[in-house]
Amino acid sequence: SAVISQKPSRDICQRGTSLTIQCQVDSQVTMMFWYRQQPGQSLTLIATANQGSEATYESGFVIDKFPISRPNLTFSTLTVSNMSPEDSSIYLCSVEGTGDYEQYFGPGTRLTVT
Amino acid sequence: KNQVEQSPQSLIILEGKNCTLQCNYTVSPFSNLRWYKQDTGRGPVSLTIMTFSENTKSNGRYTATLDADTKQSSLHITASQLSDSASYICVVSGQAGTALIFGKGTTLSVSS
Repeated sequence: SAVISQKPSRDICQRGTSLTIQCQVDSQVTMMFWYRQQPGQSLTLIATANQGSEATYESGFVIDKFPISRPNLTFSTLTVSNMSPEDSSIYLCSVEGTGDYEQYFGPGTRLTVT
Repeated sequence: KNQVEQSPQSLIILEGKNCTLQCNYTVSPFSNLRWYKQDTGRGPVSLTIMTFSENTKSNGRYTATLDADTKQSSLHITASQLSDSASYICVVSGQAGTALIFGKGTTLSVSS
């Protein structure tokens, strides 16, 4: 199994500012995933981050709004830029396990934009 | 369009009772179906994973069933406990390399 930690666990930010969320995994992984969970909605994949290459973004998400860094095999950051109240969500980091179809999630970062 | 629909949206049961949560999906092609439990303030944790050829899988008091023909799955919780209070999310995986499709979840509240 993989143990994932995220910082911060929650934050309240003002409109127009940016927040960087950190994700740390206790083992080396090839791919790391960033998800958004809006209130009452399902999880939506934002992007997939591979070490040493540009992140791959899903439809509806762009690098200028959600820049991602992946400096090594255990760490990644997601920045939510120029925030608006619509960005208020839980942001989750996730990695694949070594077993078939296993996927592990971090505890999430609860972001509120005022 | 690939979708995962869960019902009911929320459910309240008494401690010790059983309950069944439903998941219908339209994802095609289909690879596997997963049930996750998400406690408040935590990330989802895997309960069961079933591939096309599996009809049922258990994890303690949790039993998941899958009917790949009708594209339906259920999660049965036996002898519920207060700690079962959480959101239960059905997730379907399509062909390799595609994103997981998440349902909105069923919020279960177990009261004493």
